[in-house]
Amino acid sequence: DTAVSQTPKYLVTQMGNDKSIKCEQNLGHDTMYWYKQDSKKFLKIMFSYNNKELIINETVPNRFSPKSPDKAHLNLHINSLELGDSAVYFCASSQGGASYGYTFGSGTRLTVV
Amino acid sequence: QKEVEQDPGPLSVPEGAIVSLNCTYSNSAFQYFMWYRQYSRKGPELLMYTYSSGNKEDGRFTAQVDKSSKYISLFIRDSQPSDSATYLCAMSEQGSGTYKYIFGTGTRLKVLA
Repeated sequence: DTAVSQTPKYLVTQMGNDKSIKCEQNLGHDTMYWYKQDSKKFLKIMFSYNNKELIINETVPNRFSPKSPDKAHLNLHINSLELGDSAVYFCASSQGGASYGYTFGSGTRLTVV
Repeated sequence: QKEVEQDPGPLSVPEGAIVSLNCTYSNSAFQYFMWYRQYSRKGPELLMYTYSSGNKEDGRFTAQVDKSSKYISLFIRDSQPSDSATYLCAMSEQGSGTYKYIFGTGTRLKVLA
């Protein structure tokens, strides 16, 4: 039973389109995250939600909008996609303090053409 | 300069070798340190966690933190082909509340049979 699941796994779309990525966790964790991993494997935090409340919002273009309908779900909507948005987007969740680390999903590979 | 630096590799070693993976960082406020392993096309998975300075051992893996030098290491003893993956270090200032981990760019390891 997958702990953090993301859909879709792969997304190929044209510039200018709008797309969404969905994430669900069944671990009962309170905090969820979106990270972006570029082609050089660099993982950078984008957003964090704690129990449906936005708590971390890094310097991310306004075209990216996260939504958390409940603490088990965190979606990412991207408007007007650009070539530079091509990356792997990871959802993660955590519970308690930093010592517990994150549980990551398997990623969504977004390619903008 | 990135907050966390990691040699991207690839690092190729024969099976059974001792592997040393390292990260340096610039932010002296980091107190929580983790190592993640990421297989190709998968999400990162937590390997080791260390708080502040010192060593921690778990099976074939040993994590070391030297805060005075702003340097952390992961040692893998008796390396196996199944250890072939990208290893990411991650660090955080806070341990609770609104915390985020800053990741290194990862070191790609290949263990040759």
